[in-house]
Parts: sequence; structure tokens; C-alpha cells
Amino acid sequence: AQKVTQAQTEISVVEKEDVTLDCVYETRDTTYYLFWYKQPPSGELVFLIRRNSFDEQNEISGRYSWNFQKSTSSFNFTITASQVVDSAVYFCALSEVTGGATNKLIFGTGTLLAVQP
Amino acid sequence: DGGITQSPKYLFRKEGQNVTLSCEQNLNHDAMYWYRQDPGQGLRLIYYSQIVNDFQKGDIAEGYSVSREKKESFPLTVTSAQKNPTAFYLCASSYGGNEQFFGPGTRLTVL
Repeated sequence: AQKVTQAQTEISVVEKEDVTLDCVYETRDTTYYLFWYKQPPSGELVFLIRRNSFDEQNEISGRYSWNFQKSTSSFNFTITASQVVDSAVYFCALSEVTGGATNKLIFGTGTLLAVQP
Repeated sequence: DGGITQSPKYLFRKEGQNVTLSCEQNLNHDAMYWYRQDPGQGLRLIYYSQIVNDFQKGDIAEGYSVSREKKESFPLTVTSAQKNPTAFYLCASSYGGNEQFFGPGTRLTVL
């Protein structure tokens, strides 16, 4: 069965610190997608990144970076020089690639990040 | 502006009542989804639809029903058979199997 584990329930950092959010996944599929979403206090989920299982290159987007390692089934997310606006719940998710018109996402339980000024 | 709208933002229901949550998208996406989120939990899939007039049960479909009569609309009805309906409900859409985009959510409270 597919499963996503985000072991860190809550993380609190001081502004400008770097922080890494962990994500470990389980799947028997050889082809799959991994995602990160941000949920600010308003509640709406904001898409951050999608990674194909065949692409293990690390991704950097501004202060955000992602480290995908198939050998450890991990897809970790690092925020460099954190800011108060980064405070949110962050979800990691997994989907199988069916070739169909939908993808069913399996979500982790989320990590609440609090960035203190 | 393209996006997904959900209404109402807050909804209160008495026990035994059915209520319908609205979800509309103008992104021209074929696929639409409904998720439920409980405090401290991840999102769980209720129903999803790949195309008009077709939908499939997700992991927690009991006590819920949906319809997909138009591409833009995917309303969710929470029936009286749902034993614990108080939760935050999120609608999403996607183009094929790509990333899903989410609406702002509806917070349902049973009184």
C-alpha cells in the first residue's frame, strides 16, 4: 500500500534560520509522482512542486529546495533563510502514474512550521 | 482570473440534515476531486471525477454523494448517513494526471 510519513508534527524556528521538512514514502510502483503543498492559515492548499520518480535531480526555486533520494524513499524540503510568511502547514503527497485522467494523491499528515520573528 | 471557487466558506448543519457544498472551476480541467481534512490530519479523498457524468469513490465515500453534470461543477452532498461530518472540505481540479489545484475550502460544523 502507498503511504507518506511526515514524522515532524511541528517545527519552530527563528527567522533567517534554515529548516528542513522530512518526507518518507512507501510505494510498490516504479513510476510515481511526489508533491509538496503549502497550507497557510487561510486553508487553501498551494502547489509547490511535482517530481517524477525518474528524475532524481535536486530542485531549487528561490529559497526553496528539494532533495529526492529513491535509495531512502525520501523527498525532503528545505527552506533557506526562513521568513515569517513561511509559517504554514506543509504536506508531502504521493501519487501513482496511471496514464489516466486523474491522479489519486496520498497525503502525509503535514508538518506545522512556525517561524518566529 | 482562472481558479476554483467553493461556497459557502462556513456551513452549519443540524443533525439529520443533508447539505450540499459547491465547487466550481474555470480552469478547463477534466478531473475534479473532493477531500476531507480533520484537525492534525492529512487530506483524505472522498470522490473524484475524470469526466462529465462519471465519478468514482475515494477512500472515505460513505455518507457522501456527488454529481458531475457540467465540466465546471462538482458539488458534494453530505448526507445524514455521514456519522461525523464536521470537517474542512477541499475541492481540487487537475488537467489529466498533473498537479491538483485547490479551492479555498468549506468548513462544515454539525450543531
